[in-house]
Amino acid sequence: AQKVTQAQTEISVVEKEDVTLDCVYETRDTTYYLFWYKQPPSGELVFLIRRNSFDEQNEISGRYSWNFQKSTSSFNFTITASQVVDSAVYFCALRDSNYQLIWGAGTKLIIKP
Amino acid sequence: NAGVTQTPKFQVLKTGQSMTLQCAQDMNHNSMYWYRQDPGMGLRLIYYSASEGTTDKGEVPNGYNVSRLNKREFSLRLESAAPSQTSVYFCATRLFGYTFGSGTRLTVV
Repeated sequence: AQKVTQAQTEISVVEKEDVTLDCVYETRDTTYYLFWYKQPPSGELVFLIRRNSFDEQNEISGRYSWNFQKSTSSFNFTITASQVVDSAVYFCALRDSNYQLIWGAGTKLIIKP
Repeated sequence: NAGVTQTPKFQVLKTGQSMTLQCAQDMNHNSMYWYRQDPGMGLRLIYYSASEGTTDKGEVPNGYNVSRLNKREFSLRLESAAPSQTSVYFCATRLFGYTFGSGTRLTVV
């Protein structure tokens, strides 16, 4: 079965701390894509990253970094030196071979000043 | 460049009423999607359209119908709204990634 699990329902940290959001997926497909989206309190969905199954290189974009490990079926997201503006719900999603997005339940990240 | 535009942004319906949620994109993408988001959950696919003239059911299609009017527009219709359809609805298009509209917050009382 295709499934995305974000085991952390809510995380609360103090500003400037580093924080890692976990994402574990299940798929039968050999070719697939993984995504992270941010949903701030305003409600829109903001694309953060797309990674295909053949590219296991880690990605860094400013304070954001992603660790993709096929061996453990994980695609974890780390925010370094967190800021209050990072407070949001973060979703991990898997695109299967039928081009359907399967979403995790999301992790609510609270950054306290 | 608006991307994906959804209307309305908010709506309150009485049980049994009907309404159509509109979605239009100016990105010239073939694929369009309707999702619903309930509290504490990720998005769930209602219907999708791989190209103009085609539509297919997603994970939770019951109680909904869709129309792919042309390449730009993909509408979602609730024929007889039920309280269980209270949710936030997102329209999206896809090329390499997915672009979402700003959502419609629907309450059925």
